[in-house]
Amino acid sequence: RKEVEQDPGPFNVPEGATVAFNCTYSNSASQSFFWYRQDCRKEPKLLMSVYSSGNEDGRFTAQLNRASQYISLLIRDSKLSDSATYLCVVNTGNQFYFGTGTSLTVIP
Amino acid sequence: GAVVSQHPSRVICKSGTSVKIECRSLDFQATTMFWYRQFPKQSLMLMATSNEGSKATYEQGVEKDKFLINHASLTLSTLTVTSAHPEDSSFYICSPRRGGTEAFFGQGTRLTVV
Repeated sequence: RKEVEQDPGPFNVPEGATVAFNCTYSNSASQSFFWYRQDCRKEPKLLMSVYSSGNEDGRFTAQLNRASQYISLLIRDSKLSDSATYLCVVNTGNQFYFGTGTSLTVIP
Repeated sequence: GAVVSQHPSRVICKSGTSVKIECRSLDFQATTMFWYRQFPKQSLMLMATSNEGSKATYEQGVEKDKFLINHASLTLSTLTVTSAHPEDSSFYICSPRRGGTEAFFGQGTRLTVV
């Protein structure tokens, strides 16, 4: 079983739409959780960390459910500039595990 | 965030030649360096982990004699792809670790072997 699993998509949504991504992880001992954004042919960049209490940064909301071992990312009022691949990243024992990424395209 | 410099960003080489990729942490000392490889439409896959002054630890399936890693200082690590073949064409990314939980990445190197 993979350490981190994500639906690869693609998700094609119109501008202004709300879109949600989910990710599951296999190791209950995992300590830290993140969403990274990766643009085509670029390195991943941190979008936000994910906490059990949930956290919000503008149009982005991340949630962690430790009992079910899943992480979610909600993007509200999608912009064209949100088009990218979103990577779910889990830190387990000081090693980072990456999901395959979910591709999002926001359409005018 | 931390400043990481990786170069070259893109390289095309002939089959059988070697390519060296450099990764520098410009504003912090990285005791550990992770090297990843990413094939199209796939996730980042860890190739090896190196600690400054020590031999690198390679993941299963990664040939240590083909992918030479040198981590001679706390701010510089290199990955050399020796005798490159077309199947080595990929996106290589370094990630120096300074402690804390966030991962920082170099800009990546797109290697094409023809």
